[in-house]
Amino acid sequence: AQSVTQLGSHVSVSEGALVLLRCNYSSSVPPYLFWYVQYPNQGLQLLLKYTSAATLVKGINGFEAEFKKSETSFHLTKPSAHMSDAAEYFCAVSDTGNQFYFGTGTSLTVIP
Amino acid sequence: NAGVTQTPKFQVLKTGQSMTLQCAQDMNHEYMSWYRQDPGMGLRLIHYSVGAGITDQGEVPNGYNVSRSTTEDFPLRLLSAAPSQTSVYFCASAGGPGYEQYFGPGTRLTVT
Repeated sequence: AQSVTQLGSHVSVSEGALVLLRCNYSSSVPPYLFWYVQYPNQGLQLLLKYTSAATLVKGINGFEAEFKKSETSFHLTKPSAHMSDAAEYFCAVSDTGNQFYFGTGTSLTVIP
Repeated sequence: NAGVTQTPKFQVLKTGQSMTLQCAQDMNHEYMSWYRQDPGMGLRLIHYSVGAGITDQGEVPNGYNVSRSTTEDFPLRLLSAAPSQTSVYFCASAGGPGYEQYFGPGTRLTVT
């Protein structure tokens, strides 16, 4: 079975600072990789998806992630945090495209 | 285009009661899935379906049944509710393997 590890269940950054949320996965084949965001009392929304076309993936709201096969990582970054970025972020992986495995989530707090 | 809808939004059950959580999508997606979200555990796949008449178990299927008689609907049945099933349940749909999943707003279930 796949597994996804998100380092840091809580991350705090100052407004305007770099956001870095870490995700490592286990997969023996090239995976499908996703980052989702969840705002309070809502469902999940897709931030970005790795499609194998490029290792650096750009998503919505200024987020991007880099696929590093050698490190089995797919870390999420944003150069400058905004107050509206405060939310829960989930990394997800699938090898077949049918069963998806989610990380335990990282709660991002943005300090004004 | 309503996307993925779930009913009810909230439900309280007594131990041993049964109920069905409803999920419907209007995007003609073949792939549908049910997740439960618990604090500190992320989202865990309960059951999924890759098309009408086809269902399969996910990571935590015990105590839940599903059926997929139409492309649009994917109900989740709790046969005999237990306090361990207290959780937030999300339904999701996708156009195919590895595609973006669209999530419903969730059902918050409490079993006393």
